[in-house]
Amino acid sequence: SAVISQKPSRDICQRGTSLTIQCQVDSQVTMMFWYRQQPGQSLTLIATANQGSEATYESGFVIDKFPISRPNLTFSTLTVSNMSPEDSSIYLCSVGDNYGYTFGSGTRLTVV
Amino acid sequence: AQSVTQPDIHITVSEGASLELRCNYSYGATPYLFWYVQSPGQGLQLLLKYFSGDTLVQGIKGFEAEFKRSQSSFNLRKPSVHWSDAAEYFCAVGAQGGSEKLVFGKGTKLTVNP
Repeated sequence: SAVISQKPSRDICQRGTSLTIQCQVDSQVTMMFWYRQQPGQSLTLIATANQGSEATYESGFVIDKFPISRPNLTFSTLTVSNMSPEDSSIYLCSVGDNYGYTFGSGTRLTVV
Repeated sequence: AQSVTQPDIHITVSEGASLELRCNYSYGATPYLFWYVQSPGQGLQLLLKYFSGDTLVQGIKGFEAEFKRSQSSFNLRKPSVHWSDAAEYFCAVGAQGGSEKLVFGKGTKLTVNP
């Protein structure tokens, strides 16, 4: 199965700023998924990123707040824009293949 | 649209007792089913998965799960719980080849009493 390198692993950011999270996969994958896990909650899908097309966002998530880049089949970024304390969460990327789904180690974001 | 229901938000068991965590799913095609565990402050760890074949699947840490298509269920079991099993457990449903998103249930928090 694929191996994902996600960074940063954690960050503390000031409100109103933006943070870009990167995920690098060791193999080419068609779709990458970005999730958010709020404190004490389950994982919620933010968007699905296909290479060469705009990401598809789930209800409640918008591109202006969570712009996604997918320049090639092994890399993607998620930006959390104009952050507020409510954005404090763990953000994870994921890919799926014939072996199942692999997750990055997550980015623990704290907005102060 | 696919969905996962974990009816039990919180379960408490005594160490050494048996455990069953319930999971019901809704999915239009052949489901790929997963159980993950997350300890406080830790990442997700895959316990087991079901793609096809034998409906009773064995996982790590002594866990097993049984797929019942007629009941749309994929319940997780362990015959004897250890204190280290205290964690949050998530059931999830996805698609063959990872071609669709993985949808998670809300999770079940397991507390183990000594």
